Amino acid sequence: EAGVVQSPRYKIIEKKQPVAFWCNPISGHNTLYWYRQNLGQGPELLIRYENEEAVDDSQLPKDRFSAERLKGVDSTLKIQPAELGDSAVYLCASTRTAPAGANVLTFGAGSRLTVL
Amino acid sequence: RKEVEQDPGPFNVPEGATVAFNCTYSNSASQSFFWYRQDCRKEPKLLMSVYSSGNEDGRFTAQLNRASQYISLLIRDSKLSDSATYLCVVNRNTGGFKTIFGAGTRLFVKA
Repeated sequence: EAGVVQSPRYKIIEKKQPVAFWCNPISGHNTLYWYRQNLGQGPELLIRYENEEAVDDSQLPKDRFSAERLKGVDSTLKIQPAELGDSAVYLCASTRTAPAGANVLTFGAGSRLTVL
Repeated sequence: RKEVEQDPGPFNVPEGATVAFNCTYSNSASQSFFWYRQDCRKEPKLLMSVYSSGNEDGRFTAQLNRASQYISLLIRDSKLSDSATYLCVVNRNTGGFKTIFGAGTRLFVKA
């Protein structure tokens, strides 16, 4: 079974530029997450999708971040414009829709963003 | 105060040592609990689930104390390959379902 695939693995941009990250979850996994992980910290949720519906985007900075999962499979996370503080690893994870509390997340390798 | 808090670390231990990590969570409605392992510059991966009765997987033992809202991970006979960051993870379903990660505890096992 193929794992969660993310691209690009690394991205270096100047501040105020746009950037986009792509994620293809494990086949059959209805739930998709985008997390941000800063150095020395645990992952922090940005947005969670159930199929194509964003069911939790309460921590997504909506002034500059956007995400979509149009067909309920792969997803894109965009930042426009990027700021220095956006430098982090952006992790995508997926899981089958399970009874609450049973979810075990499978992560992709992450996209490491550096904003100069 | 963060919802899931862990020992700050780092822990530096010799090979063969026994080391224990602690984690506390603040929301009593939390339902399920996990330990994930994250190697340097890699993604987190599930190490083990944590059950109220306690559970063991080889050299790893996890314990949950719901009354004290406390989770622990014990590693016996540490190996060099155990060097990693260990993330405490909590699922809850109040105010919407959420999976919350602690900041992690770094472990260095030295020869």
